[in-house]
Amino acid sequence: DQQVKQNSPSLSVQEGRISILNCDYTNSMFDYFLWYKKYPAEGPTFLISISSIKDKNEDGRFTVFLNKSAKHLSLHIVPSQPGDSAVYFCAAEGIFGKGTRLHILP
Amino acid sequence: EAGVAQSPRYKIIEKRQSVAFWCNPISGHATLYWYQQILGQGPKLLIQFQNNGVVDDSQLPKDRFSAERLKGVDSTLKIQPAKLEDSAVYLCASSLIGQSYNEQFFGPGTRLTVL
Repeated sequence: DQQVKQNSPSLSVQEGRISILNCDYTNSMFDYFLWYKKYPAEGPTFLISISSIKDKNEDGRFTVFLNKSAKHLSLHIVPSQPGDSAVYFCAAEGIFGKGTRLHILP
Repeated sequence: EAGVAQSPRYKIIEKRQSVAFWCNPISGHATLYWYQQILGQGPKLLIQFQNNGVVDDSQLPKDRFSAERLKGVDSTLKIQPAKLEDSAVYLCASSLIGQSYNEQFFGPGTRLTVL
């Protein structure tokens, strides 16, 4: 049973527009959520995190929103840039989702 | 600051052979993790060390996988004997401490192909 789910395997977004990546979880005891970005042939790199006591955390172009009642979080990237094309993983307590591949179209 | 180092980067072996992977974490990081990432999946935690002690190895297939972190610094992960389904990228990561809010720093991974 997957405790962290990313149901969209891929997403294509026009450059300059907003990218929204979604993540659902089942364990209400998770107290911290992290997003990682992964380029081919490299290990994941940390992007942004959010504590379960907050509903929003912002860092430059990246914002993560947490809806605890729905057990859902989302990563917003505004504006999307070509270098954002990568696989994005949602994680909690060392448990990773399957990832969403983001393609930024020129 | 040097990142997490892993070697080898690629390894091809026959099934039933043995293989070992090496990881050197970021200096000063007490926590070290080994993950298995099968194609199309997210990383799956195999084992977590805090210094040289095991914190979590609940998902490590102990009949064939073993890992050690002698002296609380670098670590090796071994598979003996390998099966076809072990084909994956093996990622090593480290963090300052093993709390849920700590970001993990990943190495580039070792891609294992079992034929």
